[in-house]
Amino acid sequence: AQKVTQAQTEISVVEKEDVTLDCVYETRDTTYYLFWYKQPPSGELVFLIRRNSFDEQNEISGRYSWNFQKSTSSFNFTITASQVVDSAVYFCALSDSNYQLIWGAGTKLIIKP
Amino acid sequence: GAVVSQHPSWVICKSGTSVKIECRSLDFQATTMFWYRQFPKQSLMLMATSNEGSKATYEQGVEKDKFLINHASLTLSTLTVTSAHPEDSSFYICSARDRQAWNYGYTFGSGTRLTVV
Repeated sequence: AQKVTQAQTEISVVEKEDVTLDCVYETRDTTYYLFWYKQPPSGELVFLIRRNSFDEQNEISGRYSWNFQKSTSSFNFTITASQVVDSAVYFCALSDSNYQLIWGAGTKLIIKP
Repeated sequence: GAVVSQHPSWVICKSGTSVKIECRSLDFQATTMFWYRQFPKQSLMLMATSNEGSKATYEQGVEKDKFLINHASLTLSTLTVTSAHPEDSSFYICSARDRQAWNYGYTFGSGTRLTVV
């Protein structure tokens, strides 16, 4: 069965701290895609990253970085030097062979000034 | 980049009436459209998947007679909540899959907040 687990329901840190959001997935597919989305209070989903199962290179985009490890079925997301504007709910998702997205429960990130 | 326009952004309707939500892909052809429902502080729940010209495939537990989905063209899909009741109040989001997307892309609408009174 396909499954995405975001064990951290809510994380609260002080601005400028680094924070890592965990994502663990389960799939029997050999080809799959993993995603991270940000959902601010407005509700609109903001695409952050997509990674295919054959590309295990870590990625860095500004203050954001992602660590994909197939050995542990994890796709963790780190925000360096967090800012108040990073406060949102973050979702990890997995696409299955039917192109449907399997969503994690989301992690609410609170950045305090 | 790919854009999906979703309207209305919010709607308040009386119990028993029907509400139509539209999603249009503005600059690409949406092979597949997904409709989600999101309750407060919860994740997205897939309601149905529709392919252009075909009947939508509904997820288990979703009433197809209550949530009518039409995907008549490659750029337009609609969700109609029929005979709405307060328990239908929720945030509805559409997502289009771009048939040309080399990057396996999904584009999301901005969501519709439905309140049934």
